[in-house]
Amino acid sequence: AQRVTQPEKLLSVFKGAPVELKCNYSYSGSPELFWYVQYSRQRLQLLLRHISRESIKGFTADLNKGETSFHLKKPFAQEEDSAMYYCALSDTGNQFYFGTGTSLTVIP
Amino acid sequence: NAGVTQTPKFRILKIGQSMTLQCTQDMNHNYMYWYRQDPGMGLKLIYYSVGAGITDKGEVPNGYNVSRSTTEDFPLRLELAAPSQTSVYFCASSFGGYTEAFFGQGTRLTVV
Repeated sequence: AQRVTQPEKLLSVFKGAPVELKCNYSYSGSPELFWYVQYSRQRLQLLLRHISRESIKGFTADLNKGETSFHLKKPFAQEEDSAMYYCALSDTGNQFYFGTGTSLTVIP
Repeated sequence: NAGVTQTPKFRILKIGQSMTLQCTQDMNHNYMYWYRQDPGMGLKLIYYSVGAGITDKGEVPNGYNVSRSTTEDFPLRLELAAPSQTSVYFCASSFGGYTEAFFGQGTRLTVV
């Protein structure tokens, strides 16, 4: 069963515009949600996680348990934000489930 | 600080050949994972390990084997390579439950 869904494979926004990358999950317990980012020719790295409630590089994500969503948002997109973004869910601790990813392109 | 190191970075195999993808981490993490990344499919878990001597299957284990004799190393073995195994393989490690996973740089494998 698909635990993490990212409905947009490709997303393009203009520089300075707001951006929202969608993530919905399916899990009956209390999962931990993450956003990972993969810049061109680099390894996947953690962008942010729900439990820490941080804002990294201007990105934020709010866990909405009612809608089972964990959308990633940034008010003003920058060119350096162009990358592949993965939403991930960790269950009781043994596994991470990743979405199919959203490729974000920020147009100058 | 090396983190998670994978070797090789690239490899071309012929159908039926075997190979081992190496993965080592220096963060003393108990949990280690192998994923494959196919275009448009995201990351799929192949195998994972929660500690030395303990391994378990993920979503797509067929055609692969793993071992975990030490905390640091988690090699992935392909016994009879098939074109369907053409993919990018990522190794990752973490402390465990609800903690961040650290990834290697990936191995791009082509089976022809």
